[in-house]
Amino acid sequence: KAGVTQTPRYLIKTRGQQVTLSCSPISGHRSVSWYQQTPGQGLQFLFEYFSETQRNKGNFPGRFSGRQFSNSRSEMNVSTLELGDSALYLCASSLGGSLSDTQYFGPGTRLTVL
Amino acid sequence: AQKVTQAQTEISVVEKEDVTLDCVYETRDTTYYLFWYKQPPSGELVFLIRRNSFDEQNEISGRYSWNFQKSTSSFNFTITASQVVDSAVYFCALSVPQTGANNLFFGTGTRLTVIP
Repeated sequence: KAGVTQTPRYLIKTRGQQVTLSCSPISGHRSVSWYQQTPGQGLQFLFEYFSETQRNKGNFPGRFSGRQFSNSRSEMNVSTLELGDSALYLCASSLGGSLSDTQYFGPGTRLTVL
Repeated sequence: AQKVTQAQTEISVVEKEDVTLDCVYETRDTTYYLFWYKQPPSGELVFLIRRNSFDEQNEISGRYSWNFQKSTSSFNFTITASQVVDSAVYFCALSVPQTGANNLFFGTGTRLTVIP
């Protein structure tokens, strides 16, 4: 079974631009969660989507948004990029039927904002 | 509030030595889940183990073992006879479904370097 895939793997953007990251979950998984990893803040939860609905949200500004499609693939968008948005963005998928399901992570997208 | 503490920032060991990574968690909920993930240089978080709060049995998987003690709120991870391939950052994480969410609360990670 293929794992979680994320595209692109690397991105370089400039301040003020917007960016869209994509995540394809493990086949059969209906929940997709996004996390931001930075040296200063560590791993922080952004949001989770289940059956095309945002089920849970972390403490990030509205510039960070996401969506999920009917095939469970998810996209994350960051508008008006700031230098502090430079990070590794990790996507995780789980079966989703239970809030205790194990989350499996993708390789991440490394975003650099110049 | 939920919190995970990994007090060891970096550990270096010589190959074949045993090493224990510490994890202390905080939660007021009675039902929770604990996880360990490994992050090699490639960046992907690799799932290692999941335990629920009602199962305090220790677990062994090959060279890996985990010690869960509710009395001390700890979930420590031991690697026996370490190998160079074990070099990575290891994260302990907590989830509390009773809050209505499945998000993971991560510790700050322990960077393990195994020296050949």
